[in-house]
Amino acid sequence: NAGVTQTPKFQVLKTGQSMTLQCAQDMNHEYMSWYRQDPGMGLRLIHYSVGAGITDQGEVPNGYNVSRSTTEDFPLRLLSAAPSQTSVYFCASSYEGRGSASGNTIYFGEGSWLTVV
Amino acid sequence: AQSVAQPEDQVNVAEGNPLTVKCTYSVSGNPYLFWYVQYPNRGLQFLLKYITGDNLVKGSYGFEAEFNKSQTSFHLKKPSALVSDSALYFCAVRDIPASSNTGKLIFGQGTTLQVKP
Repeated sequence: NAGVTQTPKFQVLKTGQSMTLQCAQDMNHEYMSWYRQDPGMGLRLIHYSVGAGITDQGEVPNGYNVSRSTTEDFPLRLLSAAPSQTSVYFCASSYEGRGSASGNTIYFGEGSWLTVV
Repeated sequence: AQSVAQPEDQVNVAEGNPLTVKCTYSVSGNPYLFWYVQYPNRGLQFLLKYITGDNLVKGSYGFEAEFNKSQTSFHLKKPSALVSDSALYFCAVRDIPASSNTGKLIFGQGTTLQVKP
């Protein structure tokens, strides 16, 4: 049981390039989300998904796309990278699990450090 | 609008002394409250949560937090700090336990805890 796995851990992009951050979870969680972490701002929600085939926007969705073709995977795509997207990105997963001790707990990956130059 | 405030950017304590990291929240309904810890260049680790029930919640590594509805606070505490507790701590809230909100957390900006020997 690996939990939430993100790749790559570090990436440098040039302005205008595109790339995909991969995220996979092996806990059969229906809910997955992407956050970005910036100094002094905590974590902000980019996109989230409540199940395969269903995605929705979070607080800061502009410049990012997501898809959820399977329960396990939730990739985040940067269409045309900008310096403002330099950040640390975290993928997370959870399940409702009423009455379960682990229900409603959001589990995070180790993060992807992205620099756009 | 939902929000979380961590009024202190940094908390300094001596090893062996009690520590408190403050958190206040604003939500429209009943909150689900969480504390996470982040060590340098790592992901967020779950510490504890309040969903319902006893206002005093005990979590990992000897941490606890008290839910105070009248003061809308969820302060993190530990009776005796360790140098290894030095890290970045995040308080987070999820508003109204609707399925559509699962996986969507609102984070505070984070508090750096520095424990000195």
